[in-house]
Amino acid sequence: AQKVTQAQTEISVVEKEDVTLDCVYETRDTTYYLFWYKQPPSGELVFLIRRNSFDEQNEISGRYSWNFQKSTSSFNFTITASQVVDSAVYFCALSDERDDKIIFGKGTRLHILP
Amino acid sequence: GAVVSQHPSWVICKSGTSVKIECRSLDFQATTMFWYRQFPKQSLMLMATSNEGSKATYEQGVEKDKFLINHASLTLSTLTVTSAHPEDSSFYICSARDLDRGYNEQFFGPGTRLTVL
Repeated sequence: AQKVTQAQTEISVVEKEDVTLDCVYETRDTTYYLFWYKQPPSGELVFLIRRNSFDEQNEISGRYSWNFQKSTSSFNFTITASQVVDSAVYFCALSDERDDKIIFGKGTRLHILP
Repeated sequence: GAVVSQHPSWVICKSGTSVKIECRSLDFQATTMFWYRQFPKQSLMLMATSNEGSKATYEQGVEKDKFLINHASLTLSTLTVTSAHPEDSSFYICSARDLDRGYNEQFFGPGTRLTVL
């Protein structure tokens, strides 16, 4: 069965600090996709990244970076020099190639304090 | 490109009434659409997968007679909450798969907040 675990329910950091959101996944499939989404207070999901299981290269996009490690089944997300606008709930998610279902983790609520 | 809209964005209704939520892919064709439900401070839970021209596939524990899904065209899927009750109050989000962009590429709508009094 597929499962996504985000152990950190809530994190608070002071602005400009770096913060890492953890994500651990479980799947029996060899081909799968991992995602991160941001959900601000408005509720609309904002797509951040999609990574397939064959691409273990780390990704950097501005202040955001992702560390994918198949050996530990983890796909962690780091925000560098955090800003108040980064405050939101962040979801890690997983889907496989057999169907399109996206399984979401429980989310991490991130508070960036000014 | 790849925009998904939902209507209405919020709705308040009385207990026992039915509510219809529309999900539209504005600039692409979506053979498959998905409906999620999110209770306050919880994660998104998939309710059903909607395929154009066929019956929806419901996840375990989701009452198909209560949550009616119709996917009559490649750009529109509707979710009707029948005989709504306060426990159905939730944030309903749809997503659509753009076939031309490949597998597992889903685009999410902005969500519909349902409050049942």
